[in-house]
Amino acid sequence: GQQLNQSPQSMFIQEGEDVSMNCTSSSIFNTWLWYKQDPGEGPVLLIALYKAGELTSNGRLTAQFGITRKDSFLNISASIPSDVGIYFCAGQIKGGGADGLTFGKGTHLIIQP
Amino acid sequence: SAVISQKPSRDICQRGTSLTIQCQVDSQVTMMFWYRQQPGQSLTLIATANQGSEATYESGFVIDKFPISRPNLTFSTLTVSNMSPEDSSIYLCSVGTGGLGYGYTFGSGTRLTVV
Repeated sequence: GQQLNQSPQSMFIQEGEDVSMNCTSSSIFNTWLWYKQDPGEGPVLLIALYKAGELTSNGRLTAQFGITRKDSFLNISASIPSDVGIYFCAGQIKGGGADGLTFGKGTHLIIQP
Repeated sequence: SAVISQKPSRDICQRGTSLTIQCQVDSQVTMMFWYRQQPGQSLTLIATANQGSEATYESGFVIDKFPISRPNLTFSTLTVSNMSPEDSSIYLCSVGTGGLGYGYTFGSGTRLTVV
């Protein structure tokens, strides 16, 4: 099956630093999504990307859909304590909600005050 | 976006028994998805549930172990059958949402522990 390789696995940063994480795949995905999961909760959608090359921002978050449709990155600027959590990339092959998602293994973000 | 209610939120079950998890959505949706998240792991798609047809299962998941019902456009159930400790996981349902774009909303999950 399809796999998403997400890195880094974990990040220990200082408050105020910028964060960058990425996902790559050997398969083409038509939609890339980035989620954040807090303990005891389901994943919450942060950014959705639908076109190759697309660059989208949501507040301090910026994500890009790679031109080859096989990769995506997520940047968080000026991190704050509430950014702590697990970030997942997810891809959809068909697009348009016709199929479920393939998830990366997640990036654990830990912020030291 | 859609609001999803999942029940139960957590349960501790004896091995060999079955548990049915309910997923209620506050709006009509065509497709509902069930995922498993093993401890400390990522999410894995179990199956896609369409109203009026049999669920479509992903590789490694079978209907006898994870029967799914989808009686209408706002409700679905997932049953974990003949449970073993290896079934201890968080089970989440998800629906598609969005207008021009498409994203997925997740329920808070059911945390299952099998003893």
